[in-house]
Amino acid sequence: DTGVSQNPRHKITKRGQNVTFRCDPISEHNRLYWYRQTLGQGPEFLTYFQNEAQLEKSRLLSDRFSAERPKGSFSTLEIQRTEQGDSAMYLCASSLEQGRANVLTFGAGSRLTVL
Amino acid sequence: DQQVKQNSPSLSVQEGRISILNCDYTNSMFDYFLWYKKYPAEGPTFLISISSIKDKNEDGRFTVFLNKSAKHLSLHIVPSQPGDSAVYFCAASVYGGGADGLTFGKGTHLIIQP
Repeated sequence: DTGVSQNPRHKITKRGQNVTFRCDPISEHNRLYWYRQTLGQGPEFLTYFQNEAQLEKSRLLSDRFSAERPKGSFSTLEIQRTEQGDSAMYLCASSLEQGRANVLTFGAGSRLTVL
Repeated sequence: DQQVKQNSPSLSVQEGRISILNCDYTNSMFDYFLWYKKYPAEGPTFLISISSIKDKNEDGRFTVFLNKSAKHLSLHIVPSQPGDSAVYFCAASVYGGGADGLTFGKGTHLIIQP
């Protein structure tokens, strides 16, 4: 297993276009998270899946954002009608539920630049 | 409302000396704390963690201290090495609380001087 894989690593798009990011988590991990990180900030929670169920969404996740994890394996994050404020690093992480400890393993991220 | 605060954006330490990175939190429900290290163009990587039932956890050169009454934790790196130069994020979680996801601070950029 090569860890958490994210594609594409960098996406440049024009305002108003749709973009989709893909995340392949560590295979035995049942939890999958999406975070967003902007310059000078720490990662901010967007949404969380346990297996294929999306259990929580942050208020940061506007109606233009949608995430899926159709078979409880890989996940996609789609942003519709992108805005310049969507420019950020989108990080995916996965973890295995183990009692109190919830150690997330992050991918390298997908950087979005909206022109 | 920032629940996890890292008040030092950067810290410069001489190689071989001790690096101390600090983190404060406001949510008394947090019961698990983690430190992540991030190099440029990479995702954060897990470094060390501590449960609220402990006040110290050690792993090689890295030790995390937790002071629950002060809502403060710190990461000690000794001796500091050039490869430790990175951004360090403090994170906290609430077991069983919602997503069980992590709340991160803004990070501290540690620079190890040769």
